[in-house]
Amino acid sequence: QKEVEQDPGPLSVPEGAIVSLNCTYSNSAFQYFMWYRQYSRKGPELLMYTYSSGNKEDGRFTAQVDKSSKYISLFIRDSQPSDSATYLCAMSAGTSYDKVIFGPGTSLSVIP
Amino acid sequence: GAVVSQHPSRVICKSGTSVKIECRSLDFQATTMFWYRQFPKQSLMLMATSNEGSKATYEQGVEKDKFLINHASLTLSTLTVTSAHPEDSSFYICSARERQGQKLFFGSGTQLSVL
Repeated sequence: QKEVEQDPGPLSVPEGAIVSLNCTYSNSAFQYFMWYRQYSRKGPELLMYTYSSGNKEDGRFTAQVDKSSKYISLFIRDSQPSDSATYLCAMSAGTSYDKVIFGPGTSLSVIP
Repeated sequence: GAVVSQHPSRVICKSGTSVKIECRSLDFQATTMFWYRQFPKQSLMLMATSNEGSKATYEQGVEKDKFLINHASLTLSTLTVTSAHPEDSSFYICSARERQGQKLFFGSGTQLSVL
């Protein structure tokens, strides 16, 4: 079993739809959870950063963490064509020596 | 968010030459930087972890004599691909971790093409 699993997609939705992206993980020590957006041939951009369980909202983006289920989600409301990208979840246990573990990424296309 | 500058963005070189890629954290100090390789439509593959003032830690299967990493200051890490060959052609990305916390900030990547 991989440490972090993520459906690679591709996921295709119409403009304006609500998008749900998910990751599951196996390491209960993970405490820090991140979502990155990567456009083709660019470096990933940090979208959301959360600590422990709970929700966090930033504009059209909402991140949810359920540590009891080892499950995290990213919701995108009113999706736009500019949201078309690959979305990577990432997580870490939190010490300075810990690596950040990335999911394989989900490719999203928002169709006008 | 914090800014990480990576140069060059694209490099084309002949087989057998060495290529240096720079990664700078512009507005924060990064005690730890990471180097990744990414093939088309695949996820990030961690190559090595670079700590300021100490030797880099390489992932299994990554040749440390092939991919030289230097992290001489809190804001600069370099990756040198020595004696590059066509199979080294790839997209290389660096990231820097802020001193407090776990956020990673990424450079814009370098597309290396070895002829």
